[in-house]
This record gives sequence, structure tokens and C-alpha cells, in this order.
Amino acid sequence: QSALTQPASVSGSPGQSITISCTGTSSDVGNYDFVSWYQQHPGKAPKLMIYEGSKRPSGVSNRFSGSKSGNTASLTISGLQAEDEADYYCCSYAGEYTYVFGTGTKVTVL
Amino acid sequence: EVHLVESGGGFLQPGESLRLSCAASGFTFSSHAMSWVRQAPGKGLEWVSTISGSGFGTNYADSVKGRFTISRDNSKNTLYLEMNSLRAEDTAVYYCAKCGDDDYPDYTFPYWGQGTLVTVSS
Repeated sequence: QSALTQPASVSGSPGQSITISCTGTSSDVGNYDFVSWYQQHPGKAPKLMIYEGSKRPSGVSNRFSGSKSGNTASLTISGLQAEDEADYYCCSYAGEYTYVFGTGTKVTVL
Repeated sequence: EVHLVESGGGFLQPGESLRLSCAASGFTFSSHAMSWVRQAPGKGLEWVSTISGSGFGTNYADSVKGRFTISRDNSKNTLYLEMNSLRAEDTAVYYCAKCGDDDYPDYTFPYWGQGTLVTVSS
């Protein structure tokens, strides 16, 4: 049950695109199509942004997109906006009612 | 509207026990698995435990296995987390989260409570 690996921080200027990677193993990310991404602002509960690797909940901006290749999932934020500044976590189902979260990435809008 | 409200957090000494509760509303509680996720101060999210809708299926993170017990009372629409032999490293905000929904697969957390803080310190 080791945490998925994410970069500690990613930054970009308004309007730019950034990508956050999430690397797991063949026991989690690589074995299931159930990677989700969460946005968390300080002092708030996490918010679902992407599920099943690339699907977007209703109400989430289409500037957010997800993908997966092998043991690595990715979240891309295009047209970066000030309100996107937050912490982002990936999460993968790992079988038999178990899950593993990523280490988290702090996104800074310059 | 789905609503999850945690309660029961507090300040404890190492070795003590505590039970957290999560009152759920706005959905058919017994139809969905539920999970506990925690976040230590200034740290990332950590999955703690999940229980199936019926309550018969459960699992735990290695860090809490043998010390924590997840349960649910479907007649009361309430999720519980019994925490024993608490350690300083259990200090965290504990969130309950609904697994899936009508529009989302079970392996997703579309709804979260606001969290309850557990502090373990001597």
C-alpha cells in the first residue's frame, strides 16, 4: 500500500497548460481503470474532478482532462486560472475494497 | 442532496480509544459502500478503510489494521470508525466519503463530509 507518486509542485502562468503525473504499479493504476483525481483548497474537503481516468463529473470545467498509460495516470489543466490554485490528489482502486492516494501536488498559478 | 456529517473527533492521549460517526442523508445508504479517508496536518490524503453496503465486506490500510474497525448501521444511516490503541501518527482530519453514486462507479469518491479532527498527544 505505497502511495502513488506525484510531483510535489507544479506551476504555470494564467492561460497556460500544466500536467500532473501519478505513477503507481501494476497492482493499482496499471490494473484498474478506476483512477480518480481530487482538488482540495485549504481547509476544504476534496472535490472529485476526474473519475475512471478521463471522465469529468457534471459541473467540472472541461479545462480539466485525464488520461492513463500503463502504470501512470495524468491530469491536465488547460487555460490555467487563479481559482485552479490548490492541491491535487490522484487515487486508484487497488482491489478488494482498498484504495491508494497519490502523494499530492500543489498547483501554483504564477 | 447527499449530505455527510462526521462527528466524534477530539483530543486524546496515546493508547486511548475513540469512535467516529458519519451521519448520511440524501441517498439510499444501504446501497453504497462507504469509506474513511484521513489527512494529517499539512500532509496528503490517506485512505483508511472501506465497508460494503451490506457491511459484510471491509478492508483497512496497513497502518490501522488490527486497531481500527469500520462498521455501519443501515437502519440509522450512520457509518462508524472505532479507533483503538491510538498513536500520535493517527492525528488527522478524518473524512467519511461515499463510494460511487447513481452517476459514478463505486470506485470513486464523489461526496465527502467536512471532516472531524482527531488529535492524539501526550
